[in-house]
Amino acid sequence: GAVVSQHPSRVICKSGTSVKIECRSLDFQATTMFWYRQFPKQSLMLMATSNEGSKATYEQGVEKDKFLINHASLTLSTLTVTSAHPEDSSFYICSASSLELAGGQGDEQFFGPGTRLTVL
Amino acid sequence: RKEVEQDPGPFNVPEGATVAFNCTYSNSASQSFFWYRQDCRKEPKLLMSVYSSGNEDGRFTAQLNRASQYISLLIRDSKLSDSATYLCVASAYNQGGKLIFGQGTELSVKP
Repeated sequence: GAVVSQHPSRVICKSGTSVKIECRSLDFQATTMFWYRQFPKQSLMLMATSNEGSKATYEQGVEKDKFLINHASLTLSTLTVTSAHPEDSSFYICSASSLELAGGQGDEQFFGPGTRLTVL
Repeated sequence: RKEVEQDPGPFNVPEGATVAFNCTYSNSASQSFFWYRQDCRKEPKLLMSVYSSGNEDGRFTAQLNRASQYISLLIRDSKLSDSATYLCVASAYNQGGKLIFGQGTELSVKP
């Protein structure tokens, strides 16, 4: 149980285009979904936290108009990188948490397999 | 100063060795702690949660010292398959439960 999928797993696009990444919780309803970014040889950096039906909370330094997050249901969140540039090339990983699964603690996050974005 | 700091790597050890990773955290409100394992170009996977009393799972032992704000992970009898990057993670309720990742320590186990 507690499986999270991401699509696509890899995307290569031209500079200036927009890219949408989907994150789905397959066998549970996610109370909260998180979006991370990881550059080579660096750790995961949280970009934003989103709860179903409400606006995402972005971390300091993350442009909300560039990284659009939609959390339309308890099993789906999307991240759209708008007008992507080469410096946006990174590994984007989503995770999901559920109060049901964590015994009420809600700490544990279940990670998707990640999306590798390359902007040419 | 990073909120979660780990030993710089890489650690290169022979099979069968015992290796220890250290981690410190700066937010005294941190309440939950984890060790994750991340293989190259893959997502992190939870290795174990860390409890105040310390906990063991097979060859892996995690310990927490709240007074020193220090977490450790001990791997005994290293296997080739243990080669990965180990991420120390803290979570604080005053930060909405979000996970703060350390930069990771790379382990390479050689035959």
